[in-house]
Amino acid sequence: EVQLVQSGAEVKEPGESLKIACKGSGYDFSGYWIGWVRQMPGKGLEFMGVIYPGDSDTRYSPSFQGQVSISVDTSTRTAYLQWSSLKASDSAMYYCGSGGSAAPGYFDNWGRGTQVTVSS
Amino acid sequence: SHVLTQPSSVSVAPGKTARITCGGDNIGSKSVHWYRQKPGQAPVLLIYYNKDRPSGIPERFSGYNSGNTATLTISRVEAGDEADYYCQVWDGNSDHFWVFGGGTKLTV
Repeated sequence: EVQLVQSGAEVKEPGESLKIACKGSGYDFSGYWIGWVRQMPGKGLEFMGVIYPGDSDTRYSPSFQGQVSISVDTSTRTAYLQWSSLKASDSAMYYCGSGGSAAPGYFDNWGRGTQVTVSS
Repeated sequence: SHVLTQPSSVSVAPGKTARITCGGDNIGSKSVHWYRQKPGQAPVLLIYYNKDRPSGIPERFSGYNSGNTATLTISRVEAGDEADYYCQVWDGNSDHFWVFGGGTKLTV
């Protein structure tokens, strides 16, 4: 069974850094794209970016390029989403999803989400 | 174009058929995928590559894509189908290579 287990909720202050995690199991982690989606309170889904664990090829949505960093550790089968300096507007639910092998395509499996709250 | 337009809400009576549209410039030339998200839950893939269903998704859910509109059809709607529905397109040739529609709230 494919599972994506995300790290727990975070409460941070503006300006702090943060790295959240998504650990995959039950499939060939290195062979499938994995990515991140933001959902702000009461709003829709926003694609942030994807990474191919096999070679760390990373692609960002233009809206998030330069705002976040996506990385992966194949030894622990974990993908990461990182901020260097959080803003209040980063408060949202963040979901990871696993995609295709040849191309990201779509997410056929999702994590349960990580709630990030940024407040002073 | 990287904009996918969905109606903000659709209402349907139990047992009837619901149709949720996803409009985009020449979207018929792309592959459209559909997700359902119930309150407090992660999205779930309903339809991929316009019309294919993952295992476990009932045949009541079907998809069609042509011209400038893709459509998700839910037959014999049940109270449990009440949720938000999102279309999504992947276009590897575009800077906006992954786009979600704005979502449609289905009320039963």
